Parts: sequence; structure tokens; C-alpha cells
Amino acid sequence: DAEITQSPRHKITETGRQVTLACHQTWNHNNMFWYRQDLGHGLRLIHYSYGVQDTNKGEVSDGYSVSRSNTEDLPLTLESAASSQTSVYFCASSELVGAHEQFFGPGTRLTVL
Amino acid sequence: AQKVTQAQTEISVVEKEDVTLDCVYETRDTTYYLFWYKQPPSGELVFLIRRNSFDEQNEISGRYSWNFQKSTSSFNFTITASQVVDSAVYFCALSEANNQGGKLIFGQGTELSVKP
Repeated sequence: DAEITQSPRHKITETGRQVTLACHQTWNHNNMFWYRQDLGHGLRLIHYSYGVQDTNKGEVSDGYSVSRSNTEDLPLTLESAASSQTSVYFCASSELVGAHEQFFGPGTRLTVL
Repeated sequence: AQKVTQAQTEISVVEKEDVTLDCVYETRDTTYYLFWYKQPPSGELVFLIRRNSFDEQNEISGRYSWNFQKSTSSFNFTITASQVVDSAVYFCALSEANNQGGKLIFGQGTELSVKP
């Protein structure tokens, strides 16, 4: 069965370190998204990609970067982790047009000390 | 600007009660899509329903029903005869048609607690 996975599921890191969160989907979807979930804010879009070599900034992109070298993967990098980036991170994918629902990964809980 | 508001932060009901979760949205697009997702205590996000802006027909799926009213920009979700397993955070979300790739704008979520 097609799925979307994230790793690690839990991560503790220190301020200033670079961290990369992995996202892998086997739906063969062109569109992939990264969101962060914080209490009182719902989910907010960090970065998204419409296909290989395409990346775009979302609502809360400062301090994050992504790269898309293949269809299946969209890793999220925190260049220099900050305590404000402690959050739960969700990766999602969808088919091309906006009418299609997004399928979400299980989430990564990141703590920055 | 696009926005989704879920004014109810938390709702607590007793099992078998009916409960309605409110969702109000803002968009300038004439073509858009509305979604509901469920996030149970385990943390994953589960897709429940999608509605497009041209289809105001209400939807019923078992104990779940959705009322979409363009006149009030609302897309409310009702659970009939609630069960403990319905306890979760529920998110309403909006995607605009001119928004290639379907970026989702989420509401803040409503935490539903169903007590036995």
C-alpha cells in the first residue's frame, strides 16, 4: 500500500545545530508539503514543492529549507535550530490539483533545547 | 485574504450526545475546496471529507454529517450520537483553486472530548 513516512519520529537537539527531518512518500504525488503544528495555531505551511527541483516558501519559512531531488522525498532542514522551532512537524502529499486531499505522515516531534 | 476560523477551542460532551463543530472561512476565490481532518490522540491526521464550492449539498456518512452554506461561509460538522472514539482534535481547512497544488489553510482546531 502507498504511504507517507517521516523520520525520525522524535528528535531532541540543541540550539544552533542543523537538523534534517525526512519525508518519503510512495503515492507518486507531485505535490509535497511541510507543516508545523503548534498549540493555538493549527497547522501552518513551512515549504512546499510541486515537483522535482521545485520548492516554494510557505507562511512560516524563516529558518527552514527544503530540496526536492526526486518525486518521493522532501527533506526539511533547520539550518540553525532555535527553541522557537520546537514543534510537531507534518509532511503531506497530494495529487496535482487543489481539489485533492492531502495525505499526511505520522509527524515528527522536535524539541530544541 | 484566506482564513479559516474554528471559534470553539474545546467542546466536551457525554456519550450519545450530538455535537456540532463550527467552521467559518474567508476567501476571494469563487472556486475553492473545504476539508475536515481528524487528529486522534495518537497524533496522525485523518482525512474525513472534501467539499468543492460548487456543491452545497449536505453530506452524511454514518454518524457524521456536514452542512456547507456559502451564504454564511460556513462548513459545519455534526457528529450524531457521539462515541468516546470520536474524541480528537478536528481541523477544518481551505484550499483555493488558483492555488496550484492545493495548499491548505487550516483553522486552529477544535478539541472534542466525549465522556462515557
